[in-house]
Amino acid sequence: GAVVSQHPSWVICKSGTSVKIECRSLDFQATTMFWYRQFPKQSLMLMATSNEGSKATYEQGVEKDKFLINHASLTLSTLTVTSAHPEDSSFYICSAPGTATRGPLGGYTFGSGTRLTVV
Amino acid sequence: QKEVEQDPGPLSVPEGAIVSLNCTYSNSAFQYFMWYRQYSRKGPELLMYTYSSGNKEDGRFTAQVDKSSKYISLFIRDSQPSDSATYLCAMRSPGDSWGKLQFGAGTQVVVTP
Repeated sequence: GAVVSQHPSWVICKSGTSVKIECRSLDFQATTMFWYRQFPKQSLMLMATSNEGSKATYEQGVEKDKFLINHASLTLSTLTVTSAHPEDSSFYICSAPGTATRGPLGGYTFGSGTRLTVV
Repeated sequence: QKEVEQDPGPLSVPEGAIVSLNCTYSNSAFQYFMWYRQYSRKGPELLMYTYSSGNKEDGRFTAQVDKSSKYISLFIRDSQPSDSATYLCAMRSPGDSWGKLQFGAGTQVVVTP
């Protein structure tokens, strides 16, 4: 089946530093990648949509200068949290439409998530 | 009011019992319905995908959609401790872009041996 590989799975960083999270589609081409944020016991909140070769689309209230998204190729999208603060601590998850067997209508394939802790 | 309502639980059942999960929604334009399973500190995994009203069965899982009542359900038969996870419903309308999945809050399920 389709696999989206997300790294790192967890990261601890100091306040003020930047952290990069990578998502790679391993066996299919992801022209679109979605980035979500999830707080404990809460649902997924869409932050932005990245498209290969064009600028990302950010949801209302998400700071584009703080959460830099790059979709460098059909298999790689990155999210960089710049000048991280403790309130940025969260679980970040990427996903791509479709699965290897079902195509774009078959749902979404999610990465395994990145737990970011800013101290 | 949230577009998708889901009881966060936790829902505790003994091994072998049927787990019954549900979501209600307010947007009548939703036509694609999905159920995801999420283990602690992992990304969601697609369990079931249904289009419009009706039932769909896959192994121990059955998904039901009742568009007239704006109500979807997921049933897990012969539950196992390995089914302990958070189950998220998700849905979208044909007019939304692919990113615009609306998720429920997720229901935490605990299956006790």
